[in-house]
Amino acid sequence: SAVISQKPSRDICQRGTSLTIQCQVDSQVTMMFWYRQQPGQSLTLIATANQGSEATYESGFVIDKFPISRPNLTFSTLTVSNMSPEDSSIYLCSVPGTGGKPQHFGDGTRLSIL
Amino acid sequence: GDSVTQMEGPVTLSEEAFLTINCTYTATGYPSLFWYVQYPGEGLQLLLKATKADDKGSNKGFEATYRKETTSFHLEKGSVQVSDSAVYFCALGNQGGKLIFGQGTELSVKP
Repeated sequence: SAVISQKPSRDICQRGTSLTIQCQVDSQVTMMFWYRQQPGQSLTLIATANQGSEATYESGFVIDKFPISRPNLTFSTLTVSNMSPEDSSIYLCSVPGTGGKPQHFGDGTRLSIL
Repeated sequence: GDSVTQMEGPVTLSEEAFLTINCTYTATGYPSLFWYVQYPGEGLQLLLKATKADDKGSNKGFEATYRKETTSFHLEKGSVQVSDSAVYFCALGNQGGKLIFGQGTELSVKP
């Protein structure tokens, strides 16, 4: 399985600020996914990031709030903009498995907004 | 649209008890089904999967069978341990490669 590194692993931020989360994969992948897990809740897909094209956002998520970059086949960033306490969540990136294997997840970024 | 419904938690069991966590799904086409586990303070890990009807996924003593007729993928373990305490997520993988998760079920196993 791919090895996924997410940075930072956790952060505490002030409301109104923005934070960029990095996701690095040890192999080239076409698609990368970004999820949000609010406290005590399930995972919700934010967007799919394809290299060389705009990210595709799910209903309820917009580019202005969660801009995504995908500069190459091993790296992506998710920015959480103008944060409010409601953005306190775990943010996870994942990549599709190879050979029909399921998605593999990074350890996530635990974000708290004061 | 596609969706997954899981048994609500938290579930509290004594060590060596039998575990069942119910999961049902709604999907178009023929999705793959997964159970993921999230141990306290850790990331999400795949526990087991099944890719077609009547497949049984198994790992670490956990089992789940893909039942197309009842659109279910219930998770079972014959004898739970304290180390199984975690949050368990049922998920389906649709044709577009996306994962849709259930709401998660917290399991607490007491010695």
